Amino acid sequence: DTGVSQDPRHKITKRGQNVTFRCDPISEHNRLYWYRQTLGQGPEFLTYFQNEAQLEKSRLLSDRFSAERPKGSFSTLEIQRTEQGDSAMYLCASSSTFLAKNIQYFGAGTRLSVL
Amino acid sequence: GQQLNQSPQSMFIQEGEDVSMNCTSSSIFNTWLWYKQDPGEGPVLLIALYKAGELTSNGRLTAQFGITRKDSFLNISASIPSDVGIYFCAGQYGNQFYFGTGTSLTVIP
Repeated sequence: DTGVSQDPRHKITKRGQNVTFRCDPISEHNRLYWYRQTLGQGPEFLTYFQNEAQLEKSRLLSDRFSAERPKGSFSTLEIQRTEQGDSAMYLCASSSTFLAKNIQYFGAGTRLSVL
Repeated sequence: GQQLNQSPQSMFIQEGEDVSMNCTSSSIFNTWLWYKQDPGEGPVLLIALYKAGELTSNGRLTAQFGITRKDSFLNISASIPSDVGIYFCAGQYGNQFYFGTGTSLTVIP
């Protein structure tokens, strides 16, 4: 049983650099979600995909952020021109609308530190 | 976005004691979920609730979906050291999930 996998687990970057994170959902899960979590807070919704279609984006997702899920399987989240305020844990979750209960399962997250 | 108020913010209890935490919202949700998160890890689902009034147990954990659909509580009975962590409630409305700010639980052996 392979759960949701995220890579890398940790990323340290300098302000202004671009970073890209990858998420591999549970196989056959058609929905994939991205969240951001800062210290002392719960996860905040960023965006979600159903298959390859990006169906919803939060206002938190500025134009420096872009997410893709080109083949409806893995997804990438790219942050361009990183800022110190982007430092956070980025969580990915997947679910299946084919199951009676659309439960989200989370990956271990990618912790981003922007220096 | 939806605001979920989770309380208490933190708890320090003796091993063996029971724990109760709750979550309230100004909005109605269709589903309430409770997750536990260990440091450096993603949230792990503990209990999911789908109907107003529903009471569900998972081992020593019991959770209820409030009748008004605006609140939920989680109880942990006979706490053990491995219960340490941050507990989050989450409400689902439409295709989005909204999370509370978490309850940090410390269990003193």
